[in-house]
Amino acid sequence: ETGVTQSPTHLIKTRGQQVTLRCSSQSGHNTVSWYQQALGQGPQFIFQYYREEENGRGNFPPRFSGLQFPNYSSELNVNALELDDSALYLCASSLVGHRYEQYFGPGTRLTVT
Amino acid sequence: AQSVTQPDIHITVSEGASLELRCNYSYGATPYLFWYVQSPGQGLQLLLKYFSGDTLVQGIKGFEAEFKRSQSSFNLRKPSVHWSDAAEYFCAVAPNTGNQFYFGTGTSLTVIP
Repeated sequence: ETGVTQSPTHLIKTRGQQVTLRCSSQSGHNTVSWYQQALGQGPQFIFQYYREEENGRGNFPPRFSGLQFPNYSSELNVNALELDDSALYLCASSLVGHRYEQYFGPGTRLTVT
Repeated sequence: AQSVTQPDIHITVSEGASLELRCNYSYGATPYLFWYVQSPGQGLQLLLKYFSGDTLVQGIKGFEAEFKRSQSSFNLRKPSVHWSDAAEYFCAVAPNTGNQFYFGTGTSLTVIP
């Protein structure tokens, strides 16, 4: 049992809108990564946060941004939504020093119409 | 650039039969290697990982994988498949520096009685 939770489970937004997705990391995990999983694809790394700072970023534009809070919860914000942003968004938490031991949440399914 | 290839999009096996899922990677050095499983509505669960040492690694749920440097492969195997193994399987690599994971596109496993 991973202990990573995400909210909401599903979300429908209109093109051009902004969205915030939330993740609660497993207890004690101070590193969080976010991934985008389009239908039929593997997860793609968006970015990672450690100690509330961005600590690595994949090939995603700046309209994808994040926050990590002192209680290790985190947010993924996406501005100016595009149809191609429709995907399952996964967060994964890990302990520093064990950053390859990632525990994934169930994801948020975002649909952009 | 790093890449992960899972050549089989979908595999069907009979319950009790053996299973092998293929994974090839492209990377300049030996990366860290992982297999994850994703059931519908669930996040990714780590089955096993390879960092170094013995090239045959054991994981959870009776899975094992073998790293073959000469073939840049990390194939997942199970001697006897159970109906509950039906899921999507992802191979992933992580450079041993940096924070980014690279996932394959996944192999969907169907188990028939």
